[in-house]
Amino acid sequence: AQSVSQHNHHVILSEAASLELGCNYSYGGTVNLFWYVQYPGQHLQLLLKYFSGDPLVKGIKGFEAEFIKSKFSFNLRKPSVQWSDTAEYFCALNNAGNMLTFGGGTRLMVKP
Amino acid sequence: EAGVAQSPRYKIIEKRQSVAFWCNPISGHATLYWYQQILGQGPKLLIQFQNNGVVDDSQLPKDRFSAERLKGVDSTLKIQPAKLEDSAVYLCASSQNGQRSYEQYFGPGTRLTVT
Repeated sequence: AQSVSQHNHHVILSEAASLELGCNYSYGGTVNLFWYVQYPGQHLQLLLKYFSGDPLVKGIKGFEAEFIKSKFSFNLRKPSVQWSDTAEYFCALNNAGNMLTFGGGTRLMVKP
Repeated sequence: EAGVAQSPRYKIIEKRQSVAFWCNPISGHATLYWYQQILGQGPKLLIQFQNNGVVDDSQLPKDRFSAERLKGVDSTLKIQPAKLEDSAVYLCASSQNGQRSYEQYFGPGTRLTVT
């Protein structure tokens, strides 16, 4: 069975600090990996995705993620966070039928 | 382009009562998903429709949960009777089709509280 683990449940950073959120997955087949973000009071929205090719994926708002197959990881990074990045972040993978399996989420708070 | 619409946004019921949620996907999207998100957890897929047919409902508690998408557009998810552990946000999502390369778009969710 497929699963996704996010190691950090809560992260607090000051503005301009660098961010890295961990994500590990378990799946026996070819993976598509995603990071979703949910800003306070808003819908879940796609931040970035990896399907194939370059393992370093760039998304919206300066976020990027690196797929490391040997480590079954897809960590999210941003060099300098802003207060507006305060949100909950979810890592997910999908199977051949496009069913998404989500991790438990990481709540990020950025202090101004 | 209008997004995925859901109603109601909030619902409070007592245990053993029934409740229904409604979802209108993005126009033209053939695939519709219902997820359950319990507080502190990530969303968990309950059921996936392709047009008006069920693709996967393996994680739907069928003794109390039911869902339909009769005309291949709108969908309803029903719980009867509700239990305390059903308190959660119920998210609806849609995608152009069920192939893995197509992005899922999420609605605002319905927050259910069972007392």
